[in-house]
Amino acid sequence: LAKTTQPISMDSYEGQEVNITCSHNNIATNDYITWYQQFPSQGPRFIIQGYKTKVTNEVASLFIPADRKSSTLSLPRVSLSDTAVYYCLVGDMDRAGKSTFGDGTTLTVKP
Amino acid sequence: NAGVTQTPKFQVLKTGQSMTLQCAQDMNHNSMYWYRQDPGMGLRLIYYSASEGTTDKGEVPNGYNVSRLNKREFSLRLESAAPSQTSVYFCASSVRAATDQPQHFGDGTRLSIL
Repeated sequence: LAKTTQPISMDSYEGQEVNITCSHNNIATNDYITWYQQFPSQGPRFIIQGYKTKVTNEVASLFIPADRKSSTLSLPRVSLSDTAVYYCLVGDMDRAGKSTFGDGTTLTVKP
Repeated sequence: NAGVTQTPKFQVLKTGQSMTLQCAQDMNHNSMYWYRQDPGMGLRLIYYSASEGTTDKGEVPNGYNVSRLNKREFSLRLESAAPSQTSVYFCASSVRAATDQPQHFGDGTRLSIL
């Protein structure tokens, strides 16, 4: 299993860029890296996904180094509504279906 | 669009009672999943169904059974509930069971076992 490790919590202020790093030292060749956002009393919501290098969409960027042993979710110019728990997931569904969510990073954005 | 719908949203059981949690998706996805989330922790996979007619164990299957009733519906059953099964249960679906396919989650069933 590709176990993931993230910081437990992070604080930021409105308008700042936030970078959350996830370590996944045992990532397998076929594994993709997916990030989810979860608000209280809701299910996780897909943010971004990548395999290598850099991926960008309308809400975030994902940076993955060449060795793929870690990944960094970058949220540009955060707002209060970005306060949530962020999870990285490195899955191996193709083989055993044992998804490995970390314990997540609680991001608190302050005014 | 409803997406993934879970019923019920809340339930309280006594130890030893049985219960079935229901999940339905309207996105024509092939794969469906059941997770549990304990307070302050991440999600752990209980069971998943890669396609209609198949089910497989995840990380924490003990004490649970599942049924993929059809392509839309995937139920989770607790035969004899225990306090350790108090948790929030999430159902999810994806186009297929592959690491490059994002999962779409329901809003959960909050289950308390006394």
